[in-house]
Amino acid sequence: EVQLVESGGGLVQPGGSLRLSCAASGFTFSSYAMSWVRQAPGKGLEWVSAISGSGGSTYYADSVKGRFTISRDNSKNTLYLQMNSLRAEDTAVYYCAKDPLALRGREIVVGYFDYWGQGTLVTVSS
Amino acid sequence: DIQMTQSPSSLSASVGDRVTITCRASQGISNYLAWYQQKPGKVPKLLIYAASTLQSGVPSRFSGSGSGTDFTLTISSLQPEDVATYYCQKYNSAPFTFGGGTKVEIK
Repeated sequence: EVQLVESGGGLVQPGGSLRLSCAASGFTFSSYAMSWVRQAPGKGLEWVSAISGSGGSTYYADSVKGRFTISRDNSKNTLYLQMNSLRAEDTAVYYCAKDPLALRGREIVVGYFDYWGQGTLVTVSS
Repeated sequence: DIQMTQSPSSLSASVGDRVTITCRASQGISNYLAWYQQKPGKVPKLLIYAASTLQSGVPSRFSGSGSGTDFTLTISSLQPEDVATYYCQKYNSAPFTFGGGTKVEIK
């Protein structure tokens, strides 16, 4: 059974930093690209960042480019999102999400998601 | 970047009604379009990918169509458990943008 469990959310002041983690199980983690998607309170879904299975290719939304860094540790089956220079508008539930296709050895992100974690809430406020 | 526009933003329909949600891309995306359902307080669920392919386990009353810039999600006979917000998403290339969502309620 595929499981994605996010952690690391919390309350942080504007300008601060936070690192989110997503522990994956139930599939061959290194074969799948992964993404982070966020949802501000009462708002819609916003794709944030994606990373290929090996970690060699990364992609970012313009809203977070230069402030957020996606990475993965395939030996630990864990996805990360390092968030720096946080702003009030970054307040959201952050979901990790799995690509649907195993593309081992190929630096490709399909970009839609068949499994989602339960999310972790990040609140940026003074 | 390509923008994804959904309409309507909300709708109210009776049980058994046929419901149609539209998603328009600002540029052509071939059939690289997915639809998700998010029930209140729940995680999004993949319904359809490649514009018209039903994800495994999704009821057949859901269907998708379209290509290029105009896409449609149809619920052939609305059920009470279909109350949710529906999102389209493009995935031809990054950024993998979502539409603004359509909230579906029962009249």
